[in-house]
Amino acid sequence: SQQGEEDPQALSIQEGENATMNCSYKTSINNLQWYRQNSGRGLVHLILIRSNEREKHSGRLRVTLDTSKKSSSLLITASRAADTASYFCATDAASSSGYALNFGKGTSLLVTP
Amino acid sequence: ETGVTQTPRHLVMGMTNKKSLKCEQHLGHNAMYWYKQSAKKPLELMFVYSLEERVENNSVPSRFSPECPNSSHLFLHLHTLQPEDSALYLCASSPGLAGVYEQYFGPGTRLTVT
Repeated sequence: SQQGEEDPQALSIQEGENATMNCSYKTSINNLQWYRQNSGRGLVHLILIRSNEREKHSGRLRVTLDTSKKSSSLLITASRAADTASYFCATDAASSSGYALNFGKGTSLLVTP
Repeated sequence: ETGVTQTPRHLVMGMTNKKSLKCEQHLGHNAMYWYKQSAKKPLELMFVYSLEERVENNSVPSRFSPECPNSSHLFLHLHTLQPEDSALYLCASSPGLAGVYEQYFGPGTRLTVT
């Protein structure tokens, strides 16, 4: 069943600007992951944040997690045209065996020069 | 590119055909997955294998038949498909069977059923 839901569905910004995407989920989780997908390609893992973490950084990426609101955000700073892709959050349900990741529909990001 | 390869990259088949999708991972992972990605829908988990044993079959129609002969290879056998089965089929692997592991995806097979 769908767990994560990204917002907005589509985002268009200019190079150099920051991009923020949000993810909301419904049930308790152990971990939340963010993935990127270039058009028609496989997904690439970006970052994993555990339920006991509040913030994580990786290069130009910053992920936050608020378990009380069941939400996460992905911030891409100083965006580049190469960041154009779809971004997905994926959660594992704490109540299940935990190995099945539930993906949202994704946020489509367009970065224009 | 990741260490997960998929063949073919594109496949067009009629509803009466039988074909197979192949996935190979060179990462030494123990878990492998098949996903279906349709336009404007979330990624759907189809099958999960751990150490060649199927551990998840997510209510997938029997016209999709998975096979995992060893921990490096995963197949998806297709027969008598429907046009609504047209989608991008993604294979993934992970070191272990838990949501704490990141999944490594192949480039996908774009399937068109005519």
